[in-house]
Amino acid sequence: SQKIEQNSEALNIQEGKTATLTCNYTNYSPAYLQWYRQDPGRGPVFLLLIRENEKEKRKERLKVTFDTTLKQSLFHITASQPADSATYLCALDEGGNNRKLIWGLGTSLAVNP
Amino acid sequence: DVKVTQSSRYLVKRTGEKVFLECVQDMDHENMFWYRQDPGLGLRLIYFSYDVKMKEKGDIPEGYSVSREKKERFSLILESASTNQTSMYLCASSRGTDTQYFGPGTRLTVL
Repeated sequence: SQKIEQNSEALNIQEGKTATLTCNYTNYSPAYLQWYRQDPGRGPVFLLLIRENEKEKRKERLKVTFDTTLKQSLFHITASQPADSATYLCALDEGGNNRKLIWGLGTSLAVNP
Repeated sequence: DVKVTQSSRYLVKRTGEKVFLECVQDMDHENMFWYRQDPGLGLRLIYFSYDVKMKEKGDIPEGYSVSREKKERFSLILESASTNQTSMYLCASSRGTDTQYFGPGTRLTVL
């Protein structure tokens, strides 16, 4: 069956370090992959989208890689800050003209001062 | 700026009541979605709509219905609320197959 997996364990890192979150998928051939941030009691907020023909994308302190051979995306936050503490979700399109996204369960990140 | 609003942040209803959750977007998006989110289960799609008066079932449509009479508005209806429908409900909209923009969520408690 189709599946997306994110780090199930919460990630705790020290302020200033780089956080790396993983998103692995099986049985998909997505045209793109997205990362969202969700704070407690709030809706997810879009961060970055990376297409299948892109290896890497950056936005300020955020970097996303996409390896369609490994079926994996890595999400990096450099120089992390306590304000980066949140749950991060990855999502894939189902392919074709399908408007739905398939969501991972998310990884909780805590950045300690 | 993109904006999706939901009618209530918090709602408490009794078992058997009919519940309406409303979502409005101001971005002229053709697609709108209703999800519920529960601890450990992630985001689960209830219904989505890709045009006015069009709807498609998501992964967990049982016990829910939807209405989309205008492009900007998508309503989720719980015909007879049950305690297992206590959850966070999230509305989203998108253009084409791209990024989804979420509302702030409605935390529904059914007693």
